[in-house]
Amino acid sequence: DTAVSQTPKYLVTQMGNDKSIKCEQNLGHDTMYWYKQDSKKFLKIMFSYNNKELIINETVPNRFSPKSPDKAHLNLHINSLELGDSAVYFCASSQRQPIVYGYTFGSGTRLTVV
Amino acid sequence: AQTVTQSQPEMSVQEAETVTLSCTYDTSESDYYLFWYKQPPSRQMILVIRQEAYKQQNATENRFSVNFQKAAKSFSLKISDSQLGDAAMYFCAAGQGAQKLVFGQGTRLTINP
Repeated sequence: DTAVSQTPKYLVTQMGNDKSIKCEQNLGHDTMYWYKQDSKKFLKIMFSYNNKELIINETVPNRFSPKSPDKAHLNLHINSLELGDSAVYFCASSQRQPIVYGYTFGSGTRLTVV
Repeated sequence: AQTVTQSQPEMSVQEAETVTLSCTYDTSESDYYLFWYKQPPSRQMILVIRQEAYKQQNATENRFSVNFQKAAKSFSLKISDSQLGDAAMYFCAAGQGAQKLVFGQGTRLTINP
């Protein structure tokens, strides 16, 4: 049973399209995150939800919209995809604050915009 | 703002030897947590080791240990008896009550047979 599962693992799409990435965790964690890993491997936080409430919203284009229907699920919808959106997107979860035990990551979604 | 710096973009070591990866961080908080993550070519992020800032004792997990120097804000990872499977990107990260981890730029570790 995968603890944090992301779908799809790979996504190739054309500029201007809209796409979604889904994430689910079965660990009972309260907090979930979206991180972006760019081509230089740098990991940057995008969003964080605590029990369905948005608590971190970094400087991200508003074409990116997260949604958390319940504390086990966190989705990321991207409108009007651009070439610069190509990256690996990681979902992660953690126990309640403070972050004592670190994150459990999903396997990542490699998004390629052509 | 919290920052994490890994000054070694790449490191290499002979199999069975010991290697140390460097990490420095900056935080104004007194209570925080430090982590090392491994990212092999499979892309999966794997937690290697963690350290609570209030503990002076260095954390150890089998062949992996840390050298935590709180005053110097340094948190290095030592890998003993390096194995081919240790080849990966290694990321240092710091977290505090803000509920997010801030990651360093990563160090690519190559193991030479």
